[in-house]
Amino acid sequence: ETGVTQTPRHLVMGMTNKKSLKCEQHLGHNAMYWYKQSAKKPLELMFVYNFKEQTENNSVPSRFSPECPNSSHLFLHLHTLQPEDSALYLCASSQDRQGNTEAFFGQGTRLTVV
Amino acid sequence: EDKVVQSPLSLVVHEGDTVTLNCSYEVTNFRSLLWYKQEKKAPTFLFMLTSSGIEKKSGRLSSILDKKELFSILNITATQTGDSAVYLCAVEAIVLFYGGSQGNLIFGKGTKLSVKP
Repeated sequence: ETGVTQTPRHLVMGMTNKKSLKCEQHLGHNAMYWYKQSAKKPLELMFVYNFKEQTENNSVPSRFSPECPNSSHLFLHLHTLQPEDSALYLCASSQDRQGNTEAFFGQGTRLTVV
Repeated sequence: EDKVVQSPLSLVVHEGDTVTLNCSYEVTNFRSLLWYKQEKKAPTFLFMLTSSGIEKKSGRLSSILDKKELFSILNITATQTGDSAVYLCAVEAIVLFYGGSQGNLIFGKGTKLSVKP
């Protein structure tokens, strides 16, 4: 148990659906991340929030919309996704973006777009 | 329960030293093992290993997988201060369900390497 909890663990959605992924941490961390991992590919950083402010958006399509209402929660809102968006979505948190501390990852949400 | 255990959790060496990081795992339906380096930003991918006994090499870093003994090692030779980071090991396990399968990543806690000048 890393202290970072993601829900749901698995999600199957149609291309016209709207769904949200949730990430929660109670480690007192101030930085939270969304990663995408596609089959046979390494982790791809999607978004970074530091002290509730979005600091990085790595050219992610607008059909992915993050939300960070407080330092403990991070959401990824999904709408009109494509089959190629099927992947494992990982959330992580760390103390902050400046500190040299490790990130703790959740177990991921396996998303399948049909 | 699937698990990935890395050792040591932290390590302090001096420049020029050679280090070996360990990753052992117990997973059902293993698919691959991945090593990442994490500095201040997101983890960066180092290696993906799927077959036993085949060494993967990138500069001063190398890694090998033993699927019989269920472990992998990451070697770093002639360490430099820039190698200071947390090294993450992750194992991809295949989860079977009716109609198909999917892979889930199980991460270790990482080894924090500090290389002193």
